[in-house]
Amino acid sequence: EAAVTQSPRNKVTVTGGNVTLSCRQTNSHNYMYWYRQDTGHGLRLIHYSYGAGNLQIGDVPDGYKATRTTQEDFFLLLELASPSQTSLYFCASSVAGASYEQYFGPGTRLTVL
Amino acid sequence: GDSVTQTEGLVTLTKGLPVMLNCTYQTTYSPFLFWYVQHLNEAPKLLLKSSTDNKRTEHQGFYATLHKSSSSFHLQKSSVQLSDSALYFCALSPLTSGGNYKPTFGKGTSLVVHP
Repeated sequence: EAAVTQSPRNKVTVTGGNVTLSCRQTNSHNYMYWYRQDTGHGLRLIHYSYGAGNLQIGDVPDGYKATRTTQEDFFLLLELASPSQTSLYFCASSVAGASYEQYFGPGTRLTVL
Repeated sequence: GDSVTQTEGLVTLTKGLPVMLNCTYQTTYSPFLFWYVQHLNEAPKLLLKSSTDNKRTEHQGFYATLHKSSSSFHLQKSSVQLSDSALYFCALSPLTSGGNYKPTFGKGTSLVVHP
């Protein structure tokens, strides 16, 4: 079974704060993704990556940066957090190719006060 | 761009009844379609997937058929159980000519099953 871990699991910060969400997968998957989940909006893609050093822009990238440092590690950075970024964030990974499913991490609940 | 539409935000049913959750999509590429299920306080996980036109795919009592002519991939079950209460997402992965792709999820349908 694919393993994707996220840290922290919960985070509270203040408006204007700096936040880094971490994701690690141990299955040598090429693709990694960051989503946010909000009621009524489903899963929205923020950024994704085809491999180490690669970054692709998703559908809701404003206010977020991401970096893929290794095959295993993908980080999401919020440099000036705003209350609108309060959400449940999921990381996922998949083998390369459109036919392969994504494996999701347990999620990080972020609250921006 | 690509899109996935799930028309029902909430479906409420009594145990033992059949259910169909709607999913339609738009893409100019060859589509791979997925259904993911997310139980309360858990991560989404794959329920079933397909890329073959007019072929039924089944898993855990759920089934779906990809119809490219109508761009649909509806999820069905003949008799829902209490444990089926969850959030269901339809997702699209288009096979582009470059080999890379960007997945798109629908907004999800919450299924609530009552005793």
